[in-house]
Amino acid sequence: LAKTTQPISMDSYEGQEVNITCSHNNIATNDYITWYQQFPSQGPRFIIQGYKTKVTNEVASLFIPADRKSSTLSLPRVSLSDTAVYYCLVALSGAGSYQLTFGKGTKLSVIP
Amino acid sequence: NAGVTQTPKFQVLKTGQSMTLQCAQDMNHNSMYWYRQDPGMGLRLIYYSASEGTTDKGEVPNGYNVSRLNKREFSLRLESAAPSQTSVYFCASSAIRDVLNYGYTFGSGTRLTVV
Repeated sequence: LAKTTQPISMDSYEGQEVNITCSHNNIATNDYITWYQQFPSQGPRFIIQGYKTKVTNEVASLFIPADRKSSTLSLPRVSLSDTAVYYCLVALSGAGSYQLTFGKGTKLSVIP
Repeated sequence: NAGVTQTPKFQVLKTGQSMTLQCAQDMNHNSMYWYRQDPGMGLRLIYYSASEGTTDKGEVPNGYNVSRLNKREFSLRLESAAPSQTSVYFCASSAIRDVLNYGYTFGSGTRLTVV
């Protein structure tokens, strides 16, 4: 599984857009890029997943450049409730189960 | 719709005691997983079950055993607990076909302390 590198922590004021960038230089052709969110005392929650270009859902957008060696999770107009740890993962999707490897993630603190 | 249910939520064990952590999902998922999370760390995979009747080791399997009892249930057993196994344990499940759109569904965790 490709290794990922992301900032340890970030601070943002309420109402701002937050962009968290993750690098995955050795991503393989069949790998997908996945982001999870974890609140204190809870299990991680799937946010978004993509392969290339841009993916958007009701929670976030994911930008992936053509070389796929990095990706950026964008959270529009964050609120205090977005304070959490965000994990970037690269996972091979195949016919069977696939394993997710979680790094330390990025701890996002939203300030009033 | 409960999703993934873990029991117990909290447990304190003495060194050398044994216990089983229970996990059940009601989403008809094929695959199930056990992770542990230590303070300030990411999650590490202990064991997983790709489908009913199969189990495989993950990154940190030593000191643990698992049983995929049926499609719904996947238990994690500590035969002889050690202080190094103090951690928060998360169970997760996934549907193979839906994993690209919905990813893994995690339980709320079991906080285990071994003294």
